[in-house]
Amino acid sequence: NAGVTQTPKFQVLKTGQSMTLQCAQDMNHEYMSWYRQDPGMGLRLIHYSVGAGITDQGEVPNGYNVSRSTTEDFPLRLLSAAPSQTSVYFCASSPTLAGQDTQYFGPGTRLTVL
Amino acid sequence: SQQGEEDPQALSIQEGENATMNCSYKTSINNLQWYRQNSGRGLVHLILIRSNEREKHSGRLRVTLDTSKKSSSLLITASRAADTASYFCATRGSGYSTLTFGKGTMLLVSP
Repeated sequence: NAGVTQTPKFQVLKTGQSMTLQCAQDMNHEYMSWYRQDPGMGLRLIHYSVGAGITDQGEVPNGYNVSRSTTEDFPLRLLSAAPSQTSVYFCASSPTLAGQDTQYFGPGTRLTVL
Repeated sequence: SQQGEEDPQALSIQEGENATMNCSYKTSINNLQWYRQNSGRGLVHLILIRSNEREKHSGRLRVTLDTSKKSSSLLITASRAADTASYFCATRGSGYSTLTFGKGTMLLVSP
């Protein structure tokens, strides 16, 4: 199993550009989520999904869109990038959102917005 | 807003010493989890402790939970240079709820 994969590893955007961060998992997990990690801020939840066709907002959803058309994939879209979105983005998955399930993380995407 | 707050923010020790990190949280939880992040990598799950448990062990890791004080500690015994990483606590509330992460403790273990 590849686990959770993310592409690209690094990306530089100009303000106003759009892009999609890809996330895929091959563990048949129902729950997938996106976090951003900023220095001194820990991980903050952006959006999450409890299954195909179901998404919800996390703590910091503004400026990001998501969709979940398949169990495996959960892309994160930046429609108009802003310098405040410079961060490291992590995708994670777990079997369900149930209490005892732990999360598996991807390797991250380091995004810089100029 | 973040639920867990780790203390200290940074910890520097020598190989062979024990490392203790603390986590405090604000609301009631179903469980508390600890994760490790090596520099530039994704987080890796270490251990989970349920709200009705007080202590749990896994190899060189010992986790305690005090729900009356809303706090947890992670002890790494006989630290090695390979333990150098950031450590995060994450809490999960009751029912179907998302994980909330703290800001982490950076541990440096020198040979």
